[in-house]
Amino acid sequence: NAGVTQTPKFQVLKTGQSMTLQCAQDMNHEYMSWYRQDPGMGLRLIHYSVGAGITDQGEVPNGYNVSRSTTEDFPLRLLSAAPSQTSVYFCASSYSRGAYEQYFGPGTRLTVT
Amino acid sequence: GENVEQHPSTLSVQEGDSAVIKCTYSDSASNYFPWYKQELGKRPQLIIDIRSNVGEKKDQRIAVTLNKTAKHFSLHITETQPEDSAVYFCAASRVRETSGSRLTFGEGTQLTVNP
Repeated sequence: NAGVTQTPKFQVLKTGQSMTLQCAQDMNHEYMSWYRQDPGMGLRLIHYSVGAGITDQGEVPNGYNVSRSTTEDFPLRLLSAAPSQTSVYFCASSYSRGAYEQYFGPGTRLTVT
Repeated sequence: GENVEQHPSTLSVQEGDSAVIKCTYSDSASNYFPWYKQELGKRPQLIIDIRSNVGEKKDQRIAVTLNKTAKHFSLHITETQPEDSAVYFCAASRVRETSGSRLTFGEGTQLTVNP
């Protein structure tokens, strides 16, 4: 199993550009989520999904959209990039609803100039 | 919503000493408390977790304690080794069947183990 994969690993955007961060998992996990990690602020939840066709907002959803058309994929879209979105983005998944270990992807380092 | 505070933000110990990291949470309904370790440039990885029906859990050199009344939980690492050097995050979650384990993380503790 590849586990949780993310692409790209690095990305530089100009203010106002849009892009999609890709996340995929091959463990048949129902639960998937996106976090952003900023220095000194831990990991903050952006959006999450409890299954295909179901998504909900996390702690910091503004400026981001998600969709979940399949169990495997959970892309994160930046609609109009801003310097405040410069961060490291992690996708995570877990076996099921409930208290299970979340497996993180390797992360995407995004810089917005 | 849930708020998790973590202390200290940095911790430096000598190899072989013990290290303790403490977290407090605000939502008394939280019932799942994992700890993640993140090495430099790597992804966070679960090292231990505890559920609210348990007061303490151990796994070799690592232990976690939970005090539900005071709403705090702690990570204890004994006989520290240089490879324990990393950032450690605590998290709390009110597990629901409809929303899964939506985690709220603390701000992290940079642990440095000096040889």
